[in-house]
Amino acid sequence: AQSVAQPEDQVNVAEGNPLTVKCTYSVSGNPYLFWYVQYPNRGLQFLLKYITGDNLVKGSYGFEAEFNKSQTSFHLKKPSALVSDSALYFCAVRDSAGNNRKLIWGLGTSLAVNP
Amino acid sequence: DTEVTQTPKHLVMGMTNKKSLKCEQHMGHRAMYWYKQKAKKPPELMFVYSYEKLSINESVPSRFSPECPNSSLLNLHLHALQPEDSALYLCASSQDLFGLARNTGELFFGEGSRLTVL
Repeated sequence: AQSVAQPEDQVNVAEGNPLTVKCTYSVSGNPYLFWYVQYPNRGLQFLLKYITGDNLVKGSYGFEAEFNKSQTSFHLKKPSALVSDSALYFCAVRDSAGNNRKLIWGLGTSLAVNP
Repeated sequence: DTEVTQTPKHLVMGMTNKKSLKCEQHMGHRAMYWYKQKAKKPPELMFVYSYEKLSINESVPSRFSPECPNSSLLNLHLHALQPEDSALYLCASSQDLFGLARNTGELFFGEGSRLTVL
């Protein structure tokens, strides 16, 4: 069965420090992986995706994520956090195998960047 | 700025009311989605339309009735809702439905309609 895990409910980081938000997945075929961000009282915004190719994916707002097939992980990273990065982050996966047409979502990680 | 527009942004309704949520996109996307989201939880898929036909219904109660009048518009008709239906309702679109045309693309979300059922 497909699944996505975000092991941390909350991540706290000081402004200017690097940040990492973790995501691991389980699919039967090749994964299509996504990160979305939700700012308070807003809809979800797409950050980046991994479909195939280079394991390091760059996305919006200076975020990047590294696909690690052996560890089945797709951690979101940013070299220098901003207070404005404080938001709820969701990892999602779709299995390329079969005819599954749905995204599977992680439970979300709340990121707090402290000034 | 989002390219998926949802109205109204806020809606308060009684359990006997009938109301509708509206969603519009002009990106030429052929798949449109309704999600329900409770606070600090991931979105839960409700319905998916592909090429204006209902493709997925995630066993949603009949008090929620979706409608896709054309490829740009998606409605969610609400009737006899319960207080536990209070949530943020998100509309999204994608170029195509996963599994069709091998679409691997992202979803574009609207800002949502925050529904309160009294």
